[in-house]
Amino acid sequence: DVQLVESGGGVVQPGGSLRLSCAASGFTFRNYEMNWVRQAPGKGLEWLSYIDIVGKTIYYADSVKGRFTISRNNAKSSLYLQMNSLRTEDTAVYYCARDPSGTVSFDYWGQGTLVTVSS
Amino acid sequence: EIELTQSPGTLSLSPGERATLSCRASQSVDSKFFGWFQQKPGQPPRLLIYGTSSRATGIPDRFSGSGSGTDFTLTISRLEPGDFAVYYCLQYDKSPFTFGPGTKVEIK
Repeated sequence: DVQLVESGGGVVQPGGSLRLSCAASGFTFRNYEMNWVRQAPGKGLEWLSYIDIVGKTIYYADSVKGRFTISRNNAKSSLYLQMNSLRTEDTAVYYCARDPSGTVSFDYWGQGTLVTVSS
Repeated sequence: EIELTQSPGTLSLSPGERATLSCRASQSVDSKFFGWFQQKPGQPPRLLIYGTSSRATGIPDRFSGSGSGTDFTLTISRLEPGDFAVYYCLQYDKSPFTFGPGTKVEIK
């Protein structure tokens, strides 16, 4: 079965950093593009970042550009999100989502990891 | 950035009724890169529809999608108790990819 498991969330002070991980299993990770999406408490979904299968094509939402960095390690079947200069408005559940490319997208999601930015 | 607007914000219906959800884009979206998701409290989103009208694996045929250009629709032909949830549209045609604000389908 396809599984995506996020980890690395927690409580951090404004201006701090966190690194989220997404461990993939049940499919050939290196063949799939990936995304990060977040959801602030009681709010809607916000797409954050995309990475292609080799990590060369990367996109970011304006809200995180210059502060967050997406990366992947295909040998470890893992996706990462390095988050720097965190703000209170970054408080959210962070999801990774698989992207098979073509017309199918975001077909599998992890359960999410909660990031709380608070002093 | 392509902005997505969903209407209505909340839809109050009874089981067995038909639900029609709308998503309008601020500029034209390639229909190959448009989808719909369902989210229930405490759960991650679930892909329902991709490529505007193709159902994802395991999605029953009471869910259907249509549209083109700037106007897209998700129709649930006969609501079942498990269908009461929040529904989001997504365009993944142009970066930044964008979600709509969601439509909550609640029990009347």
